[in-house]
Order: sequence, then C-alpha cells, then structure tokens
Amino acid sequence: EAQVTQNPRYLITVTGKKLTVTCSQNMNHEYMSWYRQDPGLGLRQIYYSMNVEVTDKGDVPEGYKVSRKEKRNFPLILESPSPNQTSLYFCASSLLGGIGTDTQYFGPGTRLTVL
Amino acid sequence: GENVEQHPSTLSVQEGDSAVIKCTYSDSASNYFPWYKQELGKRPQLIIDIRSNVGEKKDQRIAVTLNKTAKHFSLHITETQPEDSAVYFCAAEGAAGNKLTFGGGTRVLVKP
Repeated sequence: EAQVTQNPRYLITVTGKKLTVTCSQNMNHEYMSWYRQDPGLGLRQIYYSMNVEVTDKGDVPEGYKVSRKEKRNFPLILESPSPNQTSLYFCASSLLGGIGTDTQYFGPGTRLTVL
Repeated sequence: GENVEQHPSTLSVQEGDSAVIKCTYSDSASNYFPWYKQELGKRPQLIIDIRSNVGEKKDQRIAVTLNKTAKHFSLHITETQPEDSAVYFCAAEGAAGNKLTFGGGTRVLVKP
C-alpha cells in the first residue's frame, strides 16, 4: 500500500532531550516536507527536501534539523527540544520536486509534548 | 514571504445549505492554490486545487474560484452533508516555489 509513515505517533519528552521523528514513504517520491500544526495557525512548513541530499528551510526552521540520505526517509531532529515545540507534526511527500506539480500526501502525524 | 489569510475561522451550516470559505494571499506571483480537508484526528487530504491559469474548477459538490487580480480564492461546498464536517485549509505556493503557505483553517460544522 502506498503510504507515508511516521514514528512515533505520540511522544512526551522533557526539555533538552534530543529526539528524532522518522518519516518514510514507499512511493519513490522526490519531494518531502515537514510541517507543524498549531491551533489557529494552520500548518507551517519547517523544512523540505527536493531530493536526496537536497534540503532547504521552510518558514519555521529554528530549533529543527533534517537529513535526506535516502530517497524514502526524511527524519526530523530536535537537538534540544523546548516547550514551544509542543505541536502536531506532519510529514508529507509528492512525486516530483515541486508542490505545484502534483498531489502532496501527508503522514498520520506525530503529537509531541515537551515538558 | 507569502501570507495567507482564511475566513471564517468557524462556520456552522444546516445540512443541504452551501458553505463558502475565503482566502487571500499576498504574493502576486503565487500560482498554485490547493485546499485540504482534515477530519478530526486525521491527516490533511487534498480535496481540490487550482492553478493560476484557471478561474474556476469544480468537482461534484465542491468548487474553487480564483481571482488573481484581487489575490483571493474561495472554496464552495454545495448541498452540504454531515460528512463535510471537518477543518478546511487553503494554501498557496509562493513565488520561490516548493514552499506551501497555509491559511489558519476553517472549522465547518454541518448540522443535520
């Protein structure tokens, strides 16, 4: 089944403890992206990747890192999480390297709480 | 950068009535405008999109209109049904490309 998966789905952690949220897609998509969703703010793009080893900042990249060593995986890394990073995170992918070119598929989401 | 405003933030309609959600954007070079539906506890899913060379697009009970001069676009849902209850997000792709900016969302409640 074609899908985007994320792990973990739920995570409660403490300030400063490094964590990684994994994202994987099995559709051979070139484009992948991370968003955070907060009430009233919609979804805000954190980072995106046009292809392997190509990443770029979105609108809210501060406090996050990403890597794209393989086409299927796009992990989101929080080196030193803080409470203001408590949010619902979505990974997304699309076939080609450009949002306007085709449908973007979202993962199931990861609810992160930083105490 | 791109800024997308979405109104209203909540919308309650009677089953069978129409619902309209409006969005404005700031970057006149934006050329792609998708709409997503997010049901409670679920992921956003694309329901319809429109590109800047088209003024209107329809898919069964949903339609999107785009006014590039005024920099606004709207989602129209006709003959609403309870399963249309969800949060709807508009978005715009900015001039730089590959970056999608979302509106704040509209919570739609369809009352039976």
